[in-house]
Amino acid sequence: AQKITQTQPGMFVQEKEAVTLDCTYDTSDPSYGLFWYKQPSSGEMIFLIYQGSYDQQNATEGRYSLNFQKARKSANLVISASQLGDSAMYFCAMREGPYGGSQGNLIFGKGTKLSVKP
Amino acid sequence: GAVVSQHPSRVICKSGTSVKIECRSLDFQATTMFWYRQFPKQSLMLMATSNEGSKATYEQGVEKDKFLINHASLTLSTLTVTSAHPEDSSFYICSPIMGRGDYGYTFGSGTRLTVV
Repeated sequence: AQKITQTQPGMFVQEKEAVTLDCTYDTSDPSYGLFWYKQPSSGEMIFLIYQGSYDQQNATEGRYSLNFQKARKSANLVISASQLGDSAMYFCAMREGPYGGSQGNLIFGKGTKLSVKP
Repeated sequence: GAVVSQHPSRVICKSGTSVKIECRSLDFQATTMFWYRQFPKQSLMLMATSNEGSKATYEQGVEKDKFLINHASLTLSTLTVTSAHPEDSSFYICSPIMGRGDYGYTFGSGTRLTVV
């Protein structure tokens, strides 16, 4: 069963507007972490934002915020004031189970390709 | 902190040859290293997990004799693709783990392997 689902293969947004990238997850573990990464064409994985399963508040990092709805098992990324440099692949990922070891790796969604239009 | 060096960034090799990819954590010690593989237009998939001084654990479908992982020190892990074939062409990314909980996930810059 797919653990991380990103239903938007591609998204377009106008420069300076906000965009929401969807992510739903599936786990029965009460302890998990949710991550968003940006992957430009160079391939590097750039960490954007993190939400722990026990965190009471939604995470924010500059122009990035995570809309965490635990009951719905969703962790959507909101990018405000889009910039041309935001054009890239965006991956949602989850760490479940005990930290470290073979159960501590990240599980990635299929990604969303964001294109920012001038 | 959390500087990771992965080399080479790109490599083209002939079918049947072997390629070694190095991943170094420059300013921290990584007891655990994850190796991921990403085929074109796909997501990152875990290939194997290695802990310093131990044998690597491979995910289902990943041939341990083909993808040799050495994690001999806390700052260096290598992935050797042996007898490479065109279907091994992919983007390989290492992920050394710092001991900082969920803030300890780091990634190398990746190696784009093309087998011709």
